[in-house]
Amino acid sequence: AQSVAQPEDQVNVAEGNPLTVKCTYSVSGNPYLFWYVQYPNRGLQFLLKYITGDNLVKGSYGFEAEFNKSQTSFHLKKPSALVSDSALYFCAVRDVAAGNKLTFGGGTRVLVKP
Amino acid sequence: KAGVTQTPRYLIKTRGQQVTLSCSPISGHRSVSWYQQTPGQGLQFLFEYFSETQRNKGNFPGRFSGRQFSNSRSEMNVSTLELGDSALYLCASSATGPFYGYTFGSGTRLTVV
Repeated sequence: AQSVAQPEDQVNVAEGNPLTVKCTYSVSGNPYLFWYVQYPNRGLQFLLKYITGDNLVKGSYGFEAEFNKSQTSFHLKKPSALVSDSALYFCAVRDVAAGNKLTFGGGTRVLVKP
Repeated sequence: KAGVTQTPRYLIKTRGQQVTLSCSPISGHRSVSWYQQTPGQGLQFLFEYFSETQRNKGNFPGRFSGRQFSNSRSEMNVSTLELGDSALYLCASSATGPFYGYTFGSGTRLTVV
């Protein structure tokens, strides 16, 4: 069965510093990986995805993620964090062999301090 | 292009009652999925519908049910509400194919008292 792990419940970073949110996954076939962000009392917003090709994926709001097959990781990064990046971040994986379902990690709360 | 619309946004129900939540997907999207989000359990998959057929089902009791109509709109129903059903219920739609992610609605906040 597919699974996603986000090892950090919360990440604290100072504004202007680099931000990294970690994600590891487990699937039986080729992974399709996604990052979403959630602001309070809102649904999830799509940030970026990895399907195939270049291991460095660029997404919305200056975020990027690096796919590492050997480490089964898909860490989200931003070179310079903003206070407005404070939110809940979810990593998700789709294992085509297991159907269309997206399986989400537990989420990581990011707090960017001014 | 309109997004995913969930109604109502907020709902307060009494234990033992039943509730129906509605979701209108993005035009052209035939896949609709439902998730329950709670602070303790995170995002839990409820079910997925595609072309009016349930394609996947999560590990929830039979009190949770859903359906999809021919226009791809979907409803989920929870019968005999329990206090633990209080949660944000999120609907997401997707285009056909594994390359597409989900587009989420803003959710329905259900409070059971």
